[in-house]
Amino acid sequence: DQQVKQNSPSLSVQEGRISILNCDYTNSMFDYFLWYKKYPAEGPTFLISISSIKDKNEDGRFTVFLNKSAKHLSLHIVPSQPGDSAVYFCAASASGSRLTFGEGTQLTVNP
Amino acid sequence: EAGVTQFPSHSVIEKGQTVTLRCDPISGHDNLYWYRRVMGKEIKFLLHFVKESKQDESGMPNNRFLAERTGGTYSTLKVQPAELEDSGVYFCASSKQAIWGISPLHFGNGTRLTVT
Repeated sequence: DQQVKQNSPSLSVQEGRISILNCDYTNSMFDYFLWYKKYPAEGPTFLISISSIKDKNEDGRFTVFLNKSAKHLSLHIVPSQPGDSAVYFCAASASGSRLTFGEGTQLTVNP
Repeated sequence: EAGVTQFPSHSVIEKGQTVTLRCDPISGHDNLYWYRRVMGKEIKFLLHFVKESKQDESGMPNNRFLAERTGGTYSTLKVQPAELEDSGVYFCASSKQAIWGISPLHFGNGTRLTVT
């Protein structure tokens, strides 16, 4: 019973264009959502987060959108850069409980 | 500050053998988590320590897995006896507080365990 799903295993975009990574969840108790980025042979690193009381959070080139009614969130990267190529994990938590992660999406940004 | 450190980075063992993974969290981080990623799947929760106490061990797969955090500093995760399905990357993570808006989770680079 996977509660956080990232249905696209991979995404390829051109440098300078927008990257949109998607995440769906099933647990309506989730109230905090995070995105992590992972390079090969390294651990995931925190990227950006959003509370369920908001529908958008922006940090530089990264914006996370939350649609609670659809139980869907997305990460937008604009403009995409080759250094953004990594695996992106969506994670969720209910009331500060442990993070539940998705399977990840491999983003490749082509020069 | 030093990040989360895990040792070894790789381990190859035969089925039936024992392996012990070690994690040194960031100094001052009371919360320590173990996660596992198998075959490119999701990063799955194993357990959570607050200082030396097990706060939540609901993700531990079975009693072949034993985690300890004596003294509330570093932690070990022992697999005994190892089975083929235990292969994967084991991540340790720590945080100062389990309040994600204030204190995100910091991960180590993981231990890649291969059971043959």
